[in-house]
Amino acid sequence: AQSVAQPEDQVNVAEGNPLTVKCTYSVSGNPYLFWYVQYPNRGLQFLLKYITGDNLVKGSYGFEAEFNKSQTSFHLKKPSALVSDSALYFCAVRDPREGGGADGLTFGKGTHLIIQP
Amino acid sequence: KAGVTQTPRYLIKTRGQQVTLSCSPISGHRSVSWYQQTPGQGLQFLFEYFSETQRNKGNFPGRFSGRQFSNSRSEMNVSTLELGDSALYLCASSLTGVSSYEQYFGPGTRLTVT
Repeated sequence: AQSVAQPEDQVNVAEGNPLTVKCTYSVSGNPYLFWYVQYPNRGLQFLLKYITGDNLVKGSYGFEAEFNKSQTSFHLKKPSALVSDSALYFCAVRDPREGGGADGLTFGKGTHLIIQP
Repeated sequence: KAGVTQTPRYLIKTRGQQVTLSCSPISGHRSVSWYQQTPGQGLQFLFEYFSETQRNKGNFPGRFSGRQFSNSRSEMNVSTLELGDSALYLCASSLTGVSSYEQYFGPGTRLTVT
């Protein structure tokens, strides 16, 4: 079965500093990887995805993520954090086989990102 | 283009009752997935539908069921509600059933079971 680990429940960063939210995964074969963000009392918003190709993926709101196959990681990054980036961030993995596998989209537990002014 | 809509947004039910939640996907999207979000278990996959067929089902009891209509709208039903069913239920739609396509989420239905 596939799984995702987000080792940090909370990440605190000062505004203007670079931020990293960590994610590691386990899946058979080459993974499809996603990052989503959730603001209070709202659904999840898609940020970016890795399917194939360049290991550095750029997404919405200045976020990017680096796929590292040897370390089975897909860390989310941003060069300069904004207070408005404060939210709950989810990493997710999907089985690349036809039909997406029986597990659907599997999410990590989420990481609270807090940007301090 | 309108996003994913879910109705109702909030619901309070009593143990033993049943409930039906509705989801309208983004226009043109043919795949709909459902997730349960709780503070303890996080986001858990319930089921996925594509072209009116259930393709995948998560590890939930048979009290949880769903269906998809020909216009891609979907409903999920929970029978014999338990206190532990209290959660935010999220619906997500995707253009096709291909795994590489991202899913777009609705705002969720907050179900409280008393």
